[in-house]
Amino acid sequence: DADVTQTPRNRITKTGKRIMLECSQTKGHDRMYWYRQDPGLGLRLIYYSFDVKDINKGEISDGYSVSRQAQAKFSLSLESAIPNQTALYFCATSDLAQGRETQYFGPGTRLLVL
Amino acid sequence: AQTVTQSQPEMSVQEAETVTLSCTYDTSESNYYLFWYKQPPSRQMILVIRQEAYKQQNATENRFSVNFQKAAKSFSLKISDSQLGDTAMYFCAFMKNNNNDMRFGAGTRLTVKP
Repeated sequence: DADVTQTPRNRITKTGKRIMLECSQTKGHDRMYWYRQDPGLGLRLIYYSFDVKDINKGEISDGYSVSRQAQAKFSLSLESAIPNQTALYFCATSDLAQGRETQYFGPGTRLLVL
Repeated sequence: AQTVTQSQPEMSVQEAETVTLSCTYDTSESNYYLFWYKQPPSRQMILVIRQEAYKQQNATENRFSVNFQKAAKSFSLKISDSQLGDTAMYFCAFMKNNNNDMRFGAGTRLTVKP
């Protein structure tokens, strides 16, 4: 969905480096999410945010941090990247005000940690 | 914790035929949402169909329909008149009511053959 953008789309980094993945949305949604996808495991929730002042841990938050800089921006950071954080990362948004709780995904960021 | 199981890692179907993808889930909740997402080779996550657990009527979206069996905790996706563009990974997902921790199955890779 072009309304949710992620940068970069692909990234290679080295073990121990700090890296930030960024997500922006023009849908006007309050809620934003970060997931990672690994082969054979589907998507797993890392962090989510209901508004600028609200941050919540998901299923697998260890080794990650997030920042909700504005309603439209939600960044995911790996403070010290490790090889098992190699994965496909998705940002998503949703808006409960619509009465239909559905998440809309960005195009994904493929991260390789060497 | 909720778990989602997709027991078919891979499936194939001839173009124009019908195929059914299976999904089962485990929960003690009575109110929740179920989703099917499609991930084509472009890796974009695209919502196919959603179902509210309180609704007895099965959801339909054009060629896509579900068979929701709440007592059996089963949520299968039927694709009618399969098209080559339906080739993708399909993920089943579960979300508790008003809880945005969405849980995904491991996915089923569907190939539509000409």
